[in-house]
Formats: sequence, structure tokens, C-alpha cells
Amino acid sequence: EAGVAQSPRYKIIEKRQSVAFWCNPISGHATLYWYQQILGQGPKLLIQFQNNGVVDDSQLPKDRFSAERLKGVDSTLKIQPAKLEDSAVYLCASSLRGGGGQETQYFGPGTRLLVL
Amino acid sequence: KNEVEQSPQNLTAQEGEFITINCSYSVGISALHWLQQHPGGGIVSLFMLSSGKKKHGRLIATINIQEKHSSLHITASHPRDSAVYICAVVVTGGNQFYFGTGTSLTVIP
Repeated sequence: EAGVAQSPRYKIIEKRQSVAFWCNPISGHATLYWYQQILGQGPKLLIQFQNNGVVDDSQLPKDRFSAERLKGVDSTLKIQPAKLEDSAVYLCASSLRGGGGQETQYFGPGTRLLVL
Repeated sequence: KNEVEQSPQNLTAQEGEFITINCSYSVGISALHWLQQHPGGGIVSLFMLSSGKKKHGRLIATINIQEKHSSLHITASHPRDSAVYICAVVVTGGNQFYFGTGTSLTVIP
């Protein structure tokens, strides 16, 4: 079974530029999560989708971050414009149903973003 | 104040030692997850607990809901166990996740 796929693996941009990350969850998984992990910290949930609907986006900085999962399968996370403090690893995870976090989550390899 | 606190932050052990990593939380939870993150960023889910104890190989996770505390134990530690171990909780009645900052474990041969 293929795991969670993310691209790109690495991205370097200048502040005020835009960037987009892509995630393809495990086939059949209804729930998809985007996390931001700043160096030395634990992951922070940015947004959770169940199928193509948003379950929780309370920690997503909506003035510059957006995410979509139009067909309930793959998802994109966009930052526009980027700030220096957005430098982090962006992790995507998926789970079979959702279950309010009471399921095993499968994580992708992450996208390392450096904003200069 | 963080909702999830882990201790210790860093841990160095000799191969074969018994290791304990602790996680305390301040919110009501419906589940607690233990995750393992290797250098390079890949995260693997080790356990999901809502009560009691779970065992998988040399890993044991326990949770005490009344005391709001969980422990991850590694028996007969091995250098390949070197990683960051992260505790995450799911708040009762919602989907909100809170993560600890992780415990960095190094096991020396």
C-alpha cells in the first residue's frame, strides 16, 4: 500500500513570494491533516479535512494560508505571501475515517520550507 | 503554558537500558497519541491510547486519565530507537490536537 505522498520535499523562497504544497493521502482515507512543524517544536495542526469539507481550521492563519481538497482526495496548501516565520516543515497526514482524532494517522515525509 | 508537557526534553542512554518518557497534559482528552520522528522528518504513529496500557514489541505505553499522565517505555533500548518521541492529545468533544515539543532520545552502542 502506498503511503502519504508530498511534494515538493524542499522549497526555498524569498519573503513575500507565494508557495504551494501538494499532498496525496493513502487511497480511501477520508481525513486529511496539514501540520506545521517549526524547528524544535512539536507539530501544530493547521487544518483538517473530512472528505472535501473542513473539520477544523482554527489554527490556520487565514490572511496568508489557504488549503483546499476539492475532490476529497489530494490537497494543496498555499502560503501567499510568505513570511520569514513560515520557515518550517509542513506535514500532511491521513486517517481512514476521522473519528475525532481517535485513529492512527499516517504521515507523509513533509515539505521543508525555507523563507529567506 | 503548553497544554502538553513532555519530560525529559533530551535523553541519552546506553544500549540495553530501560527508557521512560513522560507526558503530562492539562486538558480533558478523548485520546492520546505517541509518535516517533526520525531525523529527516518522517513521523510514525506508535500508539493511540484512551485508557490503560498497550504493548508493541519492546515499546509499552500507559495512560492514567485521572492523573492526566502518560508514559512511553522502551525495554532493551537499541541505537535504532534514537529519534524524537512526541506526545499528542485530542481534546474531548472536538478535533483539536495539542502536541508536546518532543523528547530527543539518543541510544549509544
